Amino acid sequence: EAQVTQNPRYLITVTGKKLTVTCSQNMNHEYMSWYRQDPGLGLRQIYYSMNVEVTDKGDVPEGYKVSRKEKRNFPLILESPSPNQTSLYFCASSSQFRTEAFFGQGTRLTVV
Amino acid sequence: AQTVTQSQPEMSVQEAETVTLSCTYDTSESNYYLFWYKQPPSRQMILVIRQEAYKQQNATENRFSVNFQKAAKSFSLKISDSQLGDTAMYFCAFSSPTQGGSEKLVFGKGTKLTVNP
Repeated sequence: EAQVTQNPRYLITVTGKKLTVTCSQNMNHEYMSWYRQDPGLGLRQIYYSMNVEVTDKGDVPEGYKVSRKEKRNFPLILESPSPNQTSLYFCASSSQFRTEAFFGQGTRLTVV
Repeated sequence: AQTVTQSQPEMSVQEAETVTLSCTYDTSESNYYLFWYKQPPSRQMILVIRQEAYKQQNATENRFSVNFQKAAKSFSLKISDSQLGDTAMYFCAFSSPTQGGSEKLVFGKGTKLTVNP
């Protein structure tokens, strides 16, 4: 089954404790992205990747890091999480034809 | 920069009736895609319908159809014969091949739709 898988689905952590949210896709897609969703703001892009070792900032990249060492994986790293990063996070992937994005199940992150 | 505006934060409709969700966008691009995504309480983002800007014909998917007015930069979603399972948050989204493609979607703030029995 074609899918984008995020882990964990729920995470509660403390301020300053480094964490990684993993994202993996099995569709051999070139393009992958991270979004955060906040009430009243919709989804906003954090980072995206066009291929292995090629990444670029989205609209809200501050406080986040990403890496793309393998085509299938695109982890999101919060080196020093803060409460304002409490949000719902989505990973998405799309093919070279770039006509549709497929989303993971979402990760609910709470930073206390 | 592209922007997407959904002017209806919340809407409700009776089961079996028809409802229309509004979306407007701003862009200087001539070639782009527009999408409606559904997000039920499970949080999963589900693609409802997609429209290519170069196509004059409005896209339809079963009970879902769009009214795409390119000159007015309007992209509304019509849901016919509403069902309880249509209760969800609906997001309008935009992407352009010259501005990142589908890896760079610009979303509206969403419309929460409730279907009442």
